[in-house]
Amino acid sequence: QKEVEQDPGPLSVPEGAIVSLNCTYSNSAFQYFMWYRQYSRKGPELLMYTYSSGNKEDGRFTAQVDKSSKYISLFIRDSQPSDSATYLCAMWGPASGGSYIPTFGRGTSLIVHP
Amino acid sequence: DARVTQTPRDKVTEMGQEVTMRCQPILGHNTVFWYRQTMMQGLELLAYFRNRAPLDDSGMPKDRFSAEMPDATLATLKIQPSEPRDSAVYFCASGLAPGPSGPNNEQFFGPGTRLTVL
Repeated sequence: QKEVEQDPGPLSVPEGAIVSLNCTYSNSAFQYFMWYRQYSRKGPELLMYTYSSGNKEDGRFTAQVDKSSKYISLFIRDSQPSDSATYLCAMWGPASGGSYIPTFGRGTSLIVHP
Repeated sequence: DARVTQTPRDKVTEMGQEVTMRCQPILGHNTVFWYRQTMMQGLELLAYFRNRAPLDDSGMPKDRFSAEMPDATLATLKIQPSEPRDSAVYFCASGLAPGPSGPNNEQFFGPGTRLTVL
């Protein structure tokens, strides 16, 4: 079992829908949680970054972290066709030598149709 | 408009050949990451440099892969000899680490090198 689990989808929704994307993890040492968006044939770009449990909002996007359940979510309100992309969760945890390294989920493919 | 650049964008080679991928991080960034992305495994960390020193390469197959930063403007990832199972998209990312430890707040990814080994 991978340290970070993410349903690859695809998730298909109509324009204007609320989208919920989720990741679960097994490593309790993960401390920093991020969501990336990746368009086809492009590199991932950072959407949201959270540290503590709770919610963080940025425009139509809300990131939610529940450390007790080892579960993170990304909500997209009023989804648009331009939101169609792959969404990856990433978590940073301590590695040997005192550094932190990221572990990514496999990504969820989202399709928003007009 | 600062961005991470990677060359080549696409590479097709035959099994056994050496492959070199290059990355130019954003000027002023002090961390560089190499990732491999496949449909089956997703995005996997291969190597991580901070201030040009390798911090973590536990995800990299040591027998055939090597990563270096000859200077602050160039990072390289080499595969020798290449195998069909190395076919993937290889991403480089750079960022600013806030201190001697702790994570990057943000990594900036390059466009990737799509490698096909026949």
